[in-house]
Amino acid sequence: DVKVTQSSRYLVKRTGEKVFLECVQDMDHENMFWYRQDPGLGLRLIYFSYDVKMKEKGDIPEGYSVSREKKERFSLILESASTNQTSMYLCASSSPPSDTQYFGPGTRLTVL
Amino acid sequence: DQQVKQNSPSLSVQEGRISILNCDYTNSMFDYFLWYKKYPAEGPTFLISISSIKDKNEDGRFTVFLNKSAKHLSLHIVPSQPGDSAVYFCAASRLSGGSYIPTFGRGTSLIVHP
Repeated sequence: DVKVTQSSRYLVKRTGEKVFLECVQDMDHENMFWYRQDPGLGLRLIYFSYDVKMKEKGDIPEGYSVSREKKERFSLILESASTNQTSMYLCASSSPPSDTQYFGPGTRLTVL
Repeated sequence: DQQVKQNSPSLSVQEGRISILNCDYTNSMFDYFLWYKKYPAEGPTFLISISSIKDKNEDGRFTVFLNKSAKHLSLHIVPSQPGDSAVYFCAASRLSGGSYIPTFGRGTSLIVHP
């Protein structure tokens, strides 16, 4: 079974702090994704990566950056956290040809 | 501008009856469609998919129908069970850089009453 793990289930940070969310997958998938889920807004794509050191902006990249130094690991960085970044963050991975996404359990981030 | 719309935020169904969840999309470049199911405090899990060259795909109690001309797909669950109570996300994908990149709808919360 594919396993996608996220570094924290719950995180509380203060406005202006730098925040790192880590995601690791164990199935050698090429693609990795970061989403945020908000009530009534569904899953919105922040960034994705096709391969190591490659990244592409999703629909809502503002205020975020990402890093993929190793194939199995994809990090989401909030350079200066703000209260409107309080959300559930979900990481996913996939590979061609099926491209079915496998999701981690999510990190609920609260920015005070 | 929503490219994938799930117009019903919630749906309530009696156990044993059929659940029908609907999804509409606007971008004709989408050619691969998926449904995911999400329980509270867990990540979404893949349920069923359909390619644009088909109009129906069935897996046990779950069937997905695709009407390309109407840009509409639906998920049928028969018979519905209380364990099916979850949020269901429709996703429409298009090919980008050799991989399918999905766009998700906002989800429909299904409640199946015993």
